[in-house]
Amino acid sequence: EADIYQTPRYLVIGTGKKITLECSQTMGHDKMYWYQQDPGMELHLIHYSYGVNSTEKGDLSSESTVSRIRTEHFPLTLESARPSHTSQYLCASSGMGGSYNSPLHFGNGTRLTVT
Amino acid sequence: GESVGLHLPTLSVQEGDNSIINCAYSNSASDYFIWYKQESGKGPQFIIDIRSNMDKRQGQRVTVLLNKTVKHLSLQIAATQPGDSAVYFCAENIPGNQFYFGTGTSLTVIP
Repeated sequence: EADIYQTPRYLVIGTGKKITLECSQTMGHDKMYWYQQDPGMELHLIHYSYGVNSTEKGDLSSESTVSRIRTEHFPLTLESARPSHTSQYLCASSGMGGSYNSPLHFGNGTRLTVT
Repeated sequence: GESVGLHLPTLSVQEGDNSIINCAYSNSASDYFIWYKQESGKGPQFIIDIRSNMDKRQGQRVTVLLNKTVKHLSLQIAATQPGDSAVYFCAENIPGNQFYFGTGTSLTVIP
């Protein structure tokens, strides 16, 4: 069982609010990721990090920001939430795996609803 | 982005039968593939992976087949159980690049 934790599990907020979704992993993984997923649909990469002080934007522009000050922690912040941000947000991490990639380990997600 | 697609969006099988879920990928440079299972309200769970230097890999009740000639990946589940009901995703990875996920296949096991 992968040790990656996301809080909160569910969040309902009003339009214009600033929110931070938390993600922590205890596996010492260098790589961490944020994905957005609508129910039953494919995952879209929002942000990723290959280590401390390293962050990159993914394919999906979600008007969010991330930080990676500590290896184990990778929070996602929405400065001004909109109804279009309503979705599930999944955090994942992976080890370096030598010359090959290693599997992503996912948290159970945060289900965000913006009213 | 890359095209990682599944042939069937839904699949229903009788309990005890074998299930086969298919996936097509478009980039011949992809060298690592993963199957994930996602139950309702949970994050994707790793099932099995395979690297491009292999054609077949077996786990507990699951087998992944990779056909690089036609860029096709399949997941076989033996003796399907009700607990196997979930959405299954394949993911491909190009060296030095990100994982790309396809639209999931919803597997329903009929008791």
